[in-house]
Amino acid sequence: QLQLVESGGGVVQPGGSLRISCAASGFVFTTYVMHWVRQTPGKGLEWVAVISYDGSDRYYADSVKGRFTVSRDNSKNTLYLEMNSLTPEDTAVFYCARDRQRYKDIVLSPAPMMSLWGQGTRVVVSS
Amino acid sequence: DVQMTQSPSLLSASVGDRVTITCRASQDINVFLAWFQQEPGKAPKSLIYDASALQSGVPSKFSGTGSGTYFTLTIDSLQPEDFATYYCQQYYVYPLTFGGGTKVEI
Repeated sequence: QLQLVESGGGVVQPGGSLRISCAASGFVFTTYVMHWVRQTPGKGLEWVAVISYDGSDRYYADSVKGRFTVSRDNSKNTLYLEMNSLTPEDTAVFYCARDRQRYKDIVLSPAPMMSLWGQGTRVVVSS
Repeated sequence: DVQMTQSPSLLSASVGDRVTITCRASQDINVFLAWFQQEPGKAPKSLIYDASALQSGVPSKFSGTGSGTYFTLTIDSLQPEDFATYYCQQYYVYPLTFGGGTKVEI
């Protein structure tokens, strides 16, 4: 069945780095745009980044631009989020999410949607 | 950034009630609005996209209306499994932004 499974979360010190992953199954991963979204008790749901189906285009929230990098390995059906210079404000549950339609051009408005979500992975930034 | 404001933030209701949640955008977002349901400890689940289109598999008790800056989500005949937190989200322009959520409690 359609499934997204995040992994790689954990506890990291301020200033540290972490890479989280999202394994996709049950659909043709190479044809869908993918997002990362995070959730904190204080700030609610926050969109983090999006990557085009072929990996050629990416957009980021200002809060993570220059520190986080979204990538994908279509041969492994896996989405990644590389996070550097982490601060306690990055503590959150991170979800990956898939668009509803195939081959969406993320440059054109409207932006891609989030129709299928993973279960999330928790990242804690603390000394 | 487009600010999304939901009201109320907390809604107390009973089984069988019909409830409506509102979501306002700080600028015109056409119909590019989605609604999500989130149960405690679980991931958000997509309910509605394009303001009024039902996601596949979502029961017709959920309905959405609106365009421009004003949107609503209505849930008919509340059942125990519907008591959750609901979020609106705009995808008209980056950065994609969410409302603060509406918790529907018994």
